[in-house]
Amino acid sequence: NAGVTQTPKFQVLKTGQSMTLQCAQDMNHEYMSWYRQDPGMGLRLIHYSVGAGITDQGEVPNGYNVSRSTTEDFPLRLLSAAPSQTSVYFCASSYQGGGNYGYTFGSGTRLTVV
Amino acid sequence: SQQGEEDPQALSIQEGENATMNCSYKTSINNLQWYRQNSGRGLVHLILIRSNEREKHSGRLRVTLDTSKKSSSLLITASRAADTASYFCATEGQSGYSTLTFGKGTMLLVSP
Repeated sequence: NAGVTQTPKFQVLKTGQSMTLQCAQDMNHEYMSWYRQDPGMGLRLIHYSVGAGITDQGEVPNGYNVSRSTTEDFPLRLLSAAPSQTSVYFCASSYQGGGNYGYTFGSGTRLTVV
Repeated sequence: SQQGEEDPQALSIQEGENATMNCSYKTSINNLQWYRQNSGRGLVHLILIRSNEREKHSGRLRVTLDTSKKSSSLLITASRAADTASYFCATEGQSGYSTLTFGKGTMLLVSP
């Protein structure tokens, strides 16, 4: 089991560029979500999905787009990168209700927007 | 807005000592979870306690939950240098959709 796989691990973008952060899980989890983590902060929810074809906004959705065409994949798109989007991005997945094992997190994508 | 607030923000102890971290939250929850994050790494799930539970143990970890006070504590007994990490509490609300709301974390330093 690979768990939750995020690519790339590091990325530098210029202001205005777009890109897609990839997230894939092989645990057949229904729920997937994207968080961002800024220095000295906890994680803040960007978007989440409760199943294929269903997505919803979290706390900080502006500037990001998501889709969920399969159970396994949940890509995060930055539409027009801004310096304020410099952050570490984490993808997570879980069974409904967190199960007994909570969420499984990917290792993160460190994004710098210059 | 962040649901949980950990206390203290930073904790420094010696190996062998116990470490206690506290978490307070604001709204009703389905469960509360604790995660560990080593520097530069992803989060690792430690333990989950449901709203109808008061205490839970896992190895050297002990978690308590007081829903009347909207608070939880994480106790790590006999700390080791390898326990050095940031610890986050996260709450899952009762909305029916599984999303977590995180606190800002406690940074634990265990010195040999």
